[in-house]
Amino acid sequence: AQSVSQHNHHVILSEAASLELGCNYSYGGTVNLFWYVQYPGQHLQLLLKYFSGDPLVKGIKGFEAEFIKSKFSFNLRKPSVQWSDTAEYFCAVRTPWAGNMLTFGGGTRLMVKP
Amino acid sequence: DVKVTQSSRYLVKRTGEKVFLECVQDMDHENMFWYRQDPGLGLRLIYFSYDVKMKEKGDIPEGYSVSREKKERFSLILESASTNQTSMYLCASRGAGSAYEQYFGPGTRLTVT
Repeated sequence: AQSVSQHNHHVILSEAASLELGCNYSYGGTVNLFWYVQYPGQHLQLLLKYFSGDPLVKGIKGFEAEFIKSKFSFNLRKPSVQWSDTAEYFCAVRTPWAGNMLTFGGGTRLMVKP
Repeated sequence: DVKVTQSSRYLVKRTGEKVFLECVQDMDHENMFWYRQDPGLGLRLIYFSYDVKMKEKGDIPEGYSVSREKKERFSLILESASTNQTSMYLCASRGAGSAYEQYFGPGTRLTVT
């Protein structure tokens, strides 16, 4: 079965610090990759997604992620975080045999100190 | 904008009660999903439905059932609630051509005492 690992469960940063959240998955073939964000009290929303092409994907709010196939990784980055980026971030993967199903990682809680 | 609504934000039930969680989407999406969200475990798929009256088990279907009588509505049923079903329940939907992006509702925090 597909698994998705987010090794950082809690991250605390100061404003303007750079962010990188790790995401690793276990399937070696073609995958579709997603990062979702859940702001406090709000529903999950899509930050960005990778399907094919340029492995560096840009999303909303200045976030980007890089697909590195050889490392089975899809890390989320932002050069300079803001207090409003405080949220929980989830990586998700879809494999070809999964049809409609996404497999989610355990999530990373980010707190940005003002 | 896609809108997915869930019937309750907070729910408290007693052990052994039958619990219904309702989800409605307004975008004519074929696919609907029920997840539970627990700290450190992320989102785990309970059931999904790809059409009216059609359903498929997800990763953790035990103790749950679902109903999809109308395209816009997907219900999660806990036949006999137990304390280990205390969790946040999230509903999501996806259209047939939307590149597997799922749209989520606000969640229902269920506490079983």
